[in-house]
This record gives sequence, C-alpha cells and structure tokens, in this order.
Amino acid sequence: DGGITQSPKYLFRKEGQNVTLSCEQNLNHDAMYWYRQDPGQGLRLIYYSQIVNDFQKGDIAEGYSVSREKKESFPLTVTSAQKNPTAFYLCASSIKRVRDGDGYTFGSGTRLTVV
Amino acid sequence: KQEVTQIPAALSVPEGENLVLNCSFTDSAIYNLQWFRQDPGKGLTSLLLIQSSQREQTSGRLNASLDKSSGRSTLYIAASQPGDSATYLCAVEGGAQKLVFGQGTRLTINP
Repeated sequence: DGGITQSPKYLFRKEGQNVTLSCEQNLNHDAMYWYRQDPGQGLRLIYYSQIVNDFQKGDIAEGYSVSREKKESFPLTVTSAQKNPTAFYLCASSIKRVRDGDGYTFGSGTRLTVV
Repeated sequence: KQEVTQIPAALSVPEGENLVLNCSFTDSAIYNLQWFRQDPGKGLTSLLLIQSSQREQTSGRLNASLDKSSGRSTLYIAASQPGDSATYLCAVEGGAQKLVFGQGTRLTINP
C-alpha cells in the first residue's frame, strides 16, 4: 500500500542534542513537507521541498534543517538551536500540481520530547 | 497573509444529529481546500478535497461546500456516530503550494 512512513513514533532529546526524524513516501509524490503541531496553535510549516535537491523555509524554520537527496525521503533534523522542540511533528507529501491530484497525504507523526 | 479560522473550537452533540463545521479564510485566491480528520495522537486523514473550480464534494455521510468569493467552507456530517469523534481541520492551498491550516474543531458525539 502506498503511504508515508514516519519514524520513530516517539523520540526523546536531551538538551544540546541534535535529533533526526525520518519521513519516507512511496506515493511517487514530488513535494514533501514538515509541519509542527502544538496544542492550541494548529499546524505550522517548517520546511518544504518541491523537487529533489531543493527545499524552502516555511514559517518556523529556525533551529531546523532538512535534506532532499532522494524523491522518497525528506528527513528533518531538530538542532540544539531549537529552544522549544517539544511538539508533534507531521510529514506530508503531494504531487507537484496539487490541483490535478488528490491533495496532501500525511504520515502518522513523531512526538518529540525534551528530557 | 492567508488566515484560516474554524468555528466552533469544540462541539458536543448527541448521536444521530446532523451537524455543520465552519471554516473561513481571508484570501479568496486559493487553489483548493481540504478537510482532514485527526484522532488524538495520530496523523491527519484526508476526508475531502475541493478544487477552486468546484462548489462541493461528497463522500458517504460527509459533504463539503466551498464559496470562494465569501471565503467560506462548511463540512456537513449527516447522522453522526460516536466514531466521528475527532478533531476536524480545514486547510487551504494558495500560492507557493503551501497548506495553511485552521486550528480545528474538536467534535464529540455522545452515545
């Protein structure tokens, strides 16, 4: 079955540590996205990529980094510069021209907690 | 800057009732609007996608409408069931191929 796989489901980070969240899709989608969800704030866009080897900052990119070396993969690194990383992280994908397709597909999320 | 608002923030109704969730957006220049469902601690499940040229979409007991000129969408749920309890999110896609989300409506269906 086609879909998006996020791992791990739960992740714990110590102060000053970098951690990487995995996102893999087998939908042959061109575009991939990372969102952060906090209680009472809805989903906010961190980074997005519309093509391999290219990505753009979203609304809250500070303290995060991404790479897009393969069409299927869009890992997100939460660096030590992100001062409040505890949140639920969601990865999504879509075909390049969403208005021709089925919209956005989301993964099941990674819950990151600072310990 | 596009802003999306969902009203009400929470809604509790008895089983079997028909209900309407509202979504409004400030910039009518959108490509599409998508309704999602989110269960606690889970990812988002797509319910309905309405392209900007369409007025409504239906899937089973769900019907979503779109009025671009007034910046409004509604999600109608018929004959609600306890399994419909979840948070419902609407999101619009405008320029730069990015989704902008509302904060959601938390729906509880009481048996």
